[in-house]
Amino acid sequence: EPEVTQTPSHQVTQMGQEVILRCVPISNHLYFYWYRQILGQKVEFLVSFYNNEISEKSEIFDDQFSVERPDGSNFTLKIRSTKLEDSAMYFCASGRQGINTEAFFGQGTRLTVV
Amino acid sequence: SQQGEEDPQALSIQEGENATMNCSYKTSINNLQWYRQNSGRGLVHLILIRSNEREKHSGRLRVTLDTSKKSSSLLITASRAADTASYFCATAEYSSYKLIFGSGTRLLVRP
Repeated sequence: EPEVTQTPSHQVTQMGQEVILRCVPISNHLYFYWYRQILGQKVEFLVSFYNNEISEKSEIFDDQFSVERPDGSNFTLKIRSTKLEDSAMYFCASGRQGINTEAFFGQGTRLTVV
Repeated sequence: SQQGEEDPQALSIQEGENATMNCSYKTSINNLQWYRQNSGRGLVHLILIRSNEREKHSGRLRVTLDTSKKSSSLLITASRAADTASYFCATAEYSSYKLIFGSGTRLLVRP
């Protein structure tokens, strides 16, 4: 069964450093998303991406964040200068037809900023 | 309360019993989805119910949607220890690309 894969599973980084979280969505999906979940809290929407551009983003997704689909298969989330409060589990998701259909989530990348 | 609030926050039942979780939301929605999350792992889609549907079944899962009350419920029948997980509702609004997740219900099924 096709699945969304994310790498790495765990990333530890120093405050102020740049991190890139990687995702390979399901191959025939057209909509891509990043969500995050701070430990013990809700899953929060960060950004959605369709047709090679951001379709929607949340207030969390400020200038420190960017997304890219560099080669037609990978979908990346970059955090330019990490802060302690960026520590969270980051989930990538993909879907066939936007929000009218289910989203398939990866297993997540646990980001720890020290 | 915020969009997608779940009730109860935690539920502990014996294997074989039914588990019911409720979700309330505030805005008009296109659809409502239920997801499951095992501890520290990814979210698994369980079921999607559209705003013009009232009830949907999938195996041991039954979801209802009452748009007049802006609420949904997830019923898991004949629960198993393997059903132990957190369950989240998530709403999708019209003209939006995002899911808004509730705070979740932690379900413990005791063997």
